[in-house]
Amino acid sequence: SSELTQPPSVSVSPGQTARITCSGDALPKQNAYWYQQKPGQAPVLMIYKDNKRPSGIPERFSGSNSGTIVTLTISGVQAEDEADYYCQSADSSAVVFGGGTKLTVL
Amino acid sequence: QMQLVQSGAEVKKPGASVKVSCKSSGYTFTGYYLHWVRQAPGQGLEWMGWINPNSGDTNYAQRFQGRVTLTRDTSINIAYMELRRLRSDDTAMYYCAKDGPWDALDIWGQGTMVTVSS
Repeated sequence: SSELTQPPSVSVSPGQTARITCSGDALPKQNAYWYQQKPGQAPVLMIYKDNKRPSGIPERFSGSNSGTIVTLTISGVQAEDEADYYCQSADSSAVVFGGGTKLTVL
Repeated sequence: QMQLVQSGAEVKKPGASVKVSCKSSGYTFTGYYLHWVRQAPGQGLEWMGWINPNSGDTNYAQRFQGRVTLTRDTSINIAYMELRRLRSDDTAMYYCAKDGPWDALDIWGQGTMVTVSS
């Protein structure tokens, strides 16, 4: 089955840009999704179909796809963005999650 | 608004079974697949499977085949996840999540903590 690989951690100062990558061989053929999870809370959908934002998600969150790597970009990071972020895709009707990236706002 | 409300925390002994419920409201229950995802303490998200509430069709992650059963009751808009032959490494938060119009998991339940301990 397909695997999605994320860096375990990313650190950024407030106001800077954070980029979280997710790599996988199936990504050129499948849409990618991103979820934010804060401690003690359920995940929240942040990006769908590679680069689209659900209503209510701040514009500073964006997604991009360049073949086998998809990227979640958070522009002008705020303290409240500190959380775990998971990418997700699909493989033959199964759902696959990346291992998650902990974003630390310094 | 669309909502998924799950049943309360469970404590089970190794070898037992657990059945977690997920009640939907605010949308057409039979219109969207429901997924189950678990998260062990301090670990990442792990997909377990989905159910089509309209047809009852299911699809399970390979590692749970034979041990998990997803069902639903369309008369009361509730989906269920039953996991059998519990082990200590099944200790986790179990989430149900609705598959939205973009094939994304757009609504999540609050989670149900299942603890397996002798």
